[in-house]
Amino acid sequence: GAGVSQTPSNKVTEKGKYVELRCDPISGHTALYWYRQSLGQGPEFLIYFQGTGAADDSGLPNDRFFAVRPEGSVSTLKIQRTERGDSAVYLCASSLRGRGETQYFGPGTRLLVL
Amino acid sequence: QKEVEQNSGPLSVPEGAIASLNCTYSDRGSQSFFWYRQYSGKSPELIMSIYSNGDKEDGRFTAQLNKASQYVSLLIRDSQPSDSATYLCAVPSSGGYQKVTFGIGTKLQVIP
Repeated sequence: GAGVSQTPSNKVTEKGKYVELRCDPISGHTALYWYRQSLGQGPEFLIYFQGTGAADDSGLPNDRFFAVRPEGSVSTLKIQRTERGDSAVYLCASSLRGRGETQYFGPGTRLLVL
Repeated sequence: QKEVEQNSGPLSVPEGAIASLNCTYSDRGSQSFFWYRQYSGKSPELIMSIYSNGDKEDGRFTAQLNKASQYVSLLIRDSQPSDSATYLCAVPSSGGYQKVTFGIGTKLQVIP
């Protein structure tokens, strides 16, 4: 079956603009994770969904970041008033049930804020 | 103290040698441990998972876990140039929903 998909693959925006990043997990996976990865660093946890609810959003850096998963499948990460420091690769991963199981990663969205 | 620590490397080994990658973690309650491989410009992919103390072997890869020492390692035997990548250690936290923390990753270079 299809893996995790993310759109867009690349996004260039100007400082202060609003962006939305989309993740389509593997069908049937209830757990969905968002990470941010900067050059030379490991993925940094942002938020974890179990079904439709955010089970852990402790990694969101501030209130400019928000994520939703309204029907328990596709998720959107929303960033308001983007800053240059938000430039990174945003990775999405899904797993069957969460709870420490194997995560399958999407190809990522490379965000560049000018 | 970082929750998951790895040496960023690079770790250089000659082709055919054993590469040893190490990871320590701070959450004593963690029950599962993962090694992911990430090629440059690509997303992480699972190499090994381990849940019990001791060794777990899969082909050329062996994961070793010592919960008392809070230490997990990955050995790659007969290293190949295609193994050159960054290896990420990932540890889900203890507790209900298990946020996953990744280490910085160790860059491995296998020299032909």
